[in-house]
Amino acid sequence: AQKITQTQPGMFVQEKEAVTLDCTYDTSDQSYGLFWYKQPSSGEMIFLIYQGSYDEQNATEGRYSLNFQKARKSANLVISASQLGDSAMYFCAMREGRMDSSYKLIFGSGTRLLVRP
Amino acid sequence: DAGITQSPRHKVTETGTPVTLRCHQTENHRYMYWYRQDPGHGLRLIHYSYGVKDTDKGEVSDGYSVSRSKTEDFLLTLESATSSQTSVYFCAIRSGVPTGDSYNEQFFGPGTRLTVL
Repeated sequence: AQKITQTQPGMFVQEKEAVTLDCTYDTSDQSYGLFWYKQPSSGEMIFLIYQGSYDEQNATEGRYSLNFQKARKSANLVISASQLGDSAMYFCAMREGRMDSSYKLIFGSGTRLLVRP
Repeated sequence: DAGITQSPRHKVTETGTPVTLRCHQTENHRYMYWYRQDPGHGLRLIHYSYGVKDTDKGEVSDGYSVSRSKTEDFLLTLESATSSQTSVYFCAIRSGVPTGDSYNEQFFGPGTRLTVL
């Protein structure tokens, strides 16, 4: 069965520093995708970044980058130059099913990030 | 905004009563999903829909039913609410058609906080 593991329940980072949030996954599928979502204290789920299993380059979206190591089955989120507004819960999720079908998301348990001024 | 609303946003009910949560979208997206979020579990899929009258079960479907009689509405029903169904419920939608830079990600509604006493 597919599984997502986030081993860091909580983390601190100093403002303006970079931080890495860990995510490991388990799947027997050759085609899969990995998402990161942010959930601020207000509760909404905000899509951050996506990496497909066949993508050769690591995904980047502004200050977010995904460190994808396929052999290790890890998809860590790197946030550069942390801002106070980055304080939130972060979820790693894996796509189960094809992108053009009714794929389902398997979520990790999340990492709560607190940015210190 | 992805044009998703959920109603009600908050509800307190008693054990054994029926409860219906509504998810409404204005995007005409094909796929709709219901998740529940509980501490330590991230989000878990309850049911999903891949078209009008087409639904299927997710990971934690016991005690829940769904209906989708038109594209824009996806209803989640707890036939007889139990305290274990106290949770935050999220609806998500997805177009199903990757276009341009779209990763065909799931867009989430604001959530419904349900408390079963």
